[in-house]
This record gives sequence, structure tokens and C-alpha cells, in this order.
Amino acid sequence: DGGITQSPKYLFRKEGQNVTLSCEQNLNHDAMYWYRQDPGQGLRLIYYSQIVNDFQKGDIAEGYSVSREKKESFPLTVTSAQKNPTAFYLCASMDPEKLFFGSGTQLSVL
Amino acid sequence: SQELEQSPQSLIVQEGKNLTINCTSSKTLYGLYWYKQKYGEGLIFLMMLQKGGEEKSHEKITAKLDEKKQQSSLHITASQPSHAGIYLCGADPPDSNYKLTFGKGTLLTVNP
Repeated sequence: DGGITQSPKYLFRKEGQNVTLSCEQNLNHDAMYWYRQDPGQGLRLIYYSQIVNDFQKGDIAEGYSVSREKKESFPLTVTSAQKNPTAFYLCASMDPEKLFFGSGTQLSVL
Repeated sequence: SQELEQSPQSLIVQEGKNLTINCTSSKTLYGLYWYKQKYGEGLIFLMMLQKGGEEKSHEKITAKLDEKKQQSSLHITASQPSHAGIYLCGADPPDSNYKLTFGKGTLLTVNP
């Protein structure tokens, strides 16, 4: 079945540590997105990529980094510069009509 | 930038009751998406509206986009516990490269 796979489901970060969230899709979509969701705040765009080897900052890119070396993969690294990383992270890819979302990763700080 | 305001923020209804959730935009809507989310899970696509006055239905859920294309409503008829969750509207502004903007969501609770 085609879809978007995010892993891990739960992730814990220690002080000063970088962590990477995985996002893989087999839908053959060119465009991929990372959103952050905080309670009561809806979704906010972190980074997006329209094509391999190209990506742009979203509204809250500070403290995050991404890569897009393969069409299927769009990993997100939460760096130590992100001082408030606790949130639910959602990856999505786009066909001509709509966004498809993964099941999300809950990141918490130890 | 385009901002979406959803109302109400939360809603508690008795099973079998009808309900409406609204999404109002600060600018003209060129593509309006409705998604549903269960707590701690990803978003499930419900419907997309593009034309003024457009109305779409899926099972007991109906979404409408007003003629001026600045407001959309989501109506659930005869609500069931399976309808419970967070409903989010999203907009696709022109020249945005598909950078969807989302409202803050409406939390729906359906009591049996």
C-alpha cells in the first residue's frame, strides 16, 4: 500500500543533542513538507521541498535542518539550537490535489 | 499572509445531534481543505473546495464554500462517536507553492 511512513513514533531528546526524524513516502510525490503541531496552535510549516536536492524554509525553520537526497525521503533534524522542541511533528507529501500525512512523531525533552 | 480562524475551538455534542464548524479566512480562498485528526495521529483528508458556492458531501459530512470564498463550513448530520476528533481547515493561497496554511482546529467530542 502506498503511503507515508514516519519513525519513530516517540522520540526523546537530551539537552544539547541533535535528533533526526525519518519520513519516507512511496507515493512518487515530488513535494514534501514538515509541520510542527503544538496543542491549541494548529500546524506550522517548518521546511518544504518541491524537488530532490532543493528545499525552502517555512515559517518556523530556526533550529531545524532537512535534506532531500532522494525523492522518497525527507528527514528532519532537530538541532540543539531549537530550545523548545517538544511537539508533535507531521510529515506530508503532495499530489496535485491534496496533502497526504504520515502518522506523526511525538518529540519530548528529557 | 493568509490566516484562518476556526470556530468554535471546541464542541461537545450528544450522539445523534447535528453540528457545524466554521473556517473564516482573512483573504480570498482559492483552495480550502478539510482534515480530521485523531489525537496523536496524522491528518485524514476529508474534502477540498475551490469554487464559490461549492458544496461537497461524504457520508454524513457536508462542506460548503461561500460565494465570496472567504468562509467555509463543515456540517455533520446525526453525529456519532466515530466523528470525534480534531477538525482542521487548510488553505492553499495562490503562488504559495502548496504551502498550506492551517487553522488551529476544532476539537469535537461526541457523547454516547
